[in-house]
Amino acid sequence: DTGVSQDPRHKITKRGQNVTFRCDPISEHNRLYWYRQTLGQGPEFLTYFQNEAQLEKSRLLSDRFSAERPKGSFSTLEIQRTEQGDSAMYLCASSLAPARMNTGELFFGEGSRLTVL
Amino acid sequence: KQEVTQIPAALSVPEGENLVLNCSFTDSAIYNLQWFRQDPGKGLTSLLLIQSSQREQTSGRLNASLDKSSGRSTLYIAASQPGDSATYLCAVRLYSGAGSYQLTFGKGTKLSVIP
Repeated sequence: DTGVSQDPRHKITKRGQNVTFRCDPISEHNRLYWYRQTLGQGPEFLTYFQNEAQLEKSRLLSDRFSAERPKGSFSTLEIQRTEQGDSAMYLCASSLAPARMNTGELFFGEGSRLTVL
Repeated sequence: KQEVTQIPAALSVPEGENLVLNCSFTDSAIYNLQWFRQDPGKGLTSLLLIQSSQREQTSGRLNASLDKSSGRSTLYIAASQPGDSATYLCAVRLYSGAGSYQLTFGKGTKLSVIP
């Protein structure tokens, strides 16, 4: 198992374009999370899936953002009509659901850095 | 709303020193607390996770403690090395209710270990 992988690692786009990021979680993990991190700040929660169901969304996730996790495996995060304020690192994490013998520890990918010109 | 504060924001120490990073949180009804390391331009690496019922966890030269009642955690790094230079982030998960599936992060402490 190679951990959480994200693609692309870097994306430069012009304002108004659409971008899509992909996350492949650790294979046995049923939970998948998206976070956004800007310079000098801690990551901020965007959304979370348990299997294929999107169970929680932050108010940070505007209508221009959409996330999917078809079949409960990989996930995509799409940003439509990008704005300069969308420039950030988009981090994906996965975990098992917390249970008696499991802490629910989150494991993060390397992130996808978005620059909107 | 859970708020997480990390002090100091930046720290510079000579190699070999022992050091302590601090994390405080406002809502003590937490499920667990996780410490992460982040190198520049990279993702987060999990260092230690402390369940709400635990008081500390150790991994190598790292020791994390948790005082849930006072809303505080510390990360102790023994015999610091230049390779420890990174930003250290503290994150808490609430026990239940809205937001209990997410981690709330502090802004991090940027550590520089000088050779």
